[in-house]
Amino acid sequence: EVQLVETGGGLVQPGNSLKLSCATSGFTFSTAWMNWIRQTPGKRLEWLAQIEDKSNNYFISYLESVKGRFTISRDDSKSSVYLQMNNLKEEDTAIYYCTSGIPFDYWGQGVMVTVSS
Amino acid sequence: DIVMTQTPSSQAVSAGEKVTMSCKSSQSLLYSENKKNYLAWYQQKPGQSPKLLISWASTRESGVPDRFIGSGSGTDFTLTISSVQAEDLAVYYCEQYYDTPFTFGSGTKLEIK
Repeated sequence: EVQLVETGGGLVQPGNSLKLSCATSGFTFSTAWMNWIRQTPGKRLEWLAQIEDKSNNYFISYLESVKGRFTISRDDSKSSVYLQMNNLKEEDTAIYYCTSGIPFDYWGQGVMVTVSS
Repeated sequence: DIVMTQTPSSQAVSAGEKVTMSCKSSQSLLYSENKKNYLAWYQQKPGQSPKLLISWASTRESGVPDRFIGSGSGTDFTLTISSVQAEDLAVYYCEQYYDTPFTFGSGTKLEIK
């Protein structure tokens, strides 16, 4: 059974940082392209970042509005993907999902991030 | 960025009825080299994560009932549910994966009368 489990969410003040983790199992992580997607309180879905696999030199793409603030990374030995989020803003408040593949064939349950003073 | 526009924003139908929803992209999602449309449909039921229903505009994922039918090409796409069931209550999103940033439509909320 495929599982993706996000952790690391919570309440954080504007300007602070947070690192999300996504532990996976049930599929060949090392060849999967992994993504982070968020869903705003208004239910809008927004793709944030993608990291490709080793054969593609772990090529990374970002949504322009998070480039420089967010960093995606992966650890194939742990079948995990991460999202480091710096200088968080109130508009970053959302449910954050990790997903696999293109299109996004598997999704985690999501983790809530609330940015508020 | 490619803008995805979904209509209607919500729709209420009775069980057994046919429903169609539209998704339009601001540029063609048809890749000429392989003749494939880079368009997916997702279903998000209340309290759940989105689930991939259809890829390549018309290919149902494994286990998806055949009442879900994706069609269209280029910039105009449709998701049809041939006979709506109560469990189809959900928001349906289209998404383009033709180019980054990958973008989603705002969703069509399906309500059951």
